[in-house]
Amino acid sequence: NAGVTQTPKFRILKIGQSMTLQCTQDMNHNYMYWYRQDPGMGLKLIYYSVGAGITDKGEVPNGYNVSRSTTEDFPLRLELAAPSQTSVYFCASSYWVPGVYEQYFGPGTRLTVT
Amino acid sequence: KNEVEQSPQNLTAQEGEFITINCSYSVGISALHWLQQHPGGGIVSLFMLSSGKKKHGRLIATINIQEKHSSLHITASHPRDSAVYICAVGRDAGAGSYQLTFGKGTKLSVIP
Repeated sequence: NAGVTQTPKFRILKIGQSMTLQCTQDMNHNYMYWYRQDPGMGLKLIYYSVGAGITDKGEVPNGYNVSRSTTEDFPLRLELAAPSQTSVYFCASSYWVPGVYEQYFGPGTRLTVT
Repeated sequence: KNEVEQSPQNLTAQEGEFITINCSYSVGISALHWLQQHPGGGIVSLFMLSSGKKKHGRLIATINIQEKHSSLHITASHPRDSAVYICAVGRDAGAGSYQLTFGKGTKLSVIP
């Protein structure tokens, strides 16, 4: 199993450009998440999904959009990139039943907006 | 005030030392998680615990639900333990979702 894969690993965007961060998992997990990690700060939840066709906002959703057309894929779309979106982005998937939770993280995408 | 507070923020230890990282939280939780972020950025889950104590190799995690406090201990520390250790609280967020709220992490450096 590849686990959770993310592309690209690095990207530099100009202000106002758009891009899609790709995330794929091969563990048949229902739950998927997008986080951002800023220097000196904890991971913040951007969007999450509890299954194909179902997504919801997390703590910091502004400036982002997601879709979940399949169990495997959970892309994150940045429209009109802004310097405040410079961050490291992590996708994660998880297995959860009450009392048991395993979350797996992708390797991260380091995004710079200038 | 953050829901999850970790201390210390930075920790330097000599190889072989016993290490303790602390985590306090201010909300009701379903479970508490400890994660490790490697210098290269990858994040792995270490423990999930809702009571008592868990041990895996040289790592021990404890939680006191009444005091809303958890500790992560590393015995006989080694340079390969150098990483950022992250505490997170997990909650059933409704509509079938489980969400984590993360602390800022503790950066550990173990010197040979």
